[in-house]
Amino acid sequence: DAGITQSPRHKVTETGTPVTLRCHQTENHRYMYWYRQDPGHGLRLIHYSYGVKDTDKGEVSDGYSVSRSKTEDFLLTLESATSSQTSVYFCAISVGLTGVNQPQHFGDGTRLSIL
Amino acid sequence: SQQGEEDPQALSIQEGENATMNCSYKTSINNLQWYRQNSGRGLVHLILIRSNEREKHSGRLRVTLDTSKKSSSLLITASRAADTASYFCATNYGGSQGNLIFGKGTKLSVKP
Repeated sequence: DAGITQSPRHKVTETGTPVTLRCHQTENHRYMYWYRQDPGHGLRLIHYSYGVKDTDKGEVSDGYSVSRSKTEDFLLTLESATSSQTSVYFCAISVGLTGVNQPQHFGDGTRLSIL
Repeated sequence: SQQGEEDPQALSIQEGENATMNCSYKTSINNLQWYRQNSGRGLVHLILIRSNEREKHSGRLRVTLDTSKKSSSLLITASRAADTASYFCATNYGGSQGNLIFGKGTKLSVKP
């Protein structure tokens, strides 16, 4: 168990509302990732972080922002949620200083529905 | 997208049989990883194989990597009902800081 907690686990909200998902880790790893998982697409990287206040975009970053003010917390924000952002969101961490050649450890996901 | 592709998309076998899943990818890689996902849960890491390795074992799992063909296979021997899950390959490509590109997965069903 890599000590990753995602909150909330489930959320239903309306189009146009802001949404923030939280990922919390207990082991102070440097690399953290946000993915979304949709049928027919597998997992796709939204944003990742390689340290406090160090973040970068992934494959599907449009409509999402992230923040990492503390090592243990990585927040994903949908500023104005759209129905296309209905998905299951996973947070992951990578052990090691570079993230390269290291496995990733995943949280149990947040199921987000936008009506 | 540099996404890997798994084959087959779905596989149904009897308990005790072997299960083989294949993954193809498009660009040179640092490593290739296999993950398992049980329904409603997060992904669990199974095996990481580096680009200079050809085969790796972990318990009943055997992974091969052929960089000339840009392909990998995952073999699960003596399958159990508890192996029922979706299996994903993921590639870490050069200069990506550990970022992974996932395939769409193979759904394995092992019948008792």
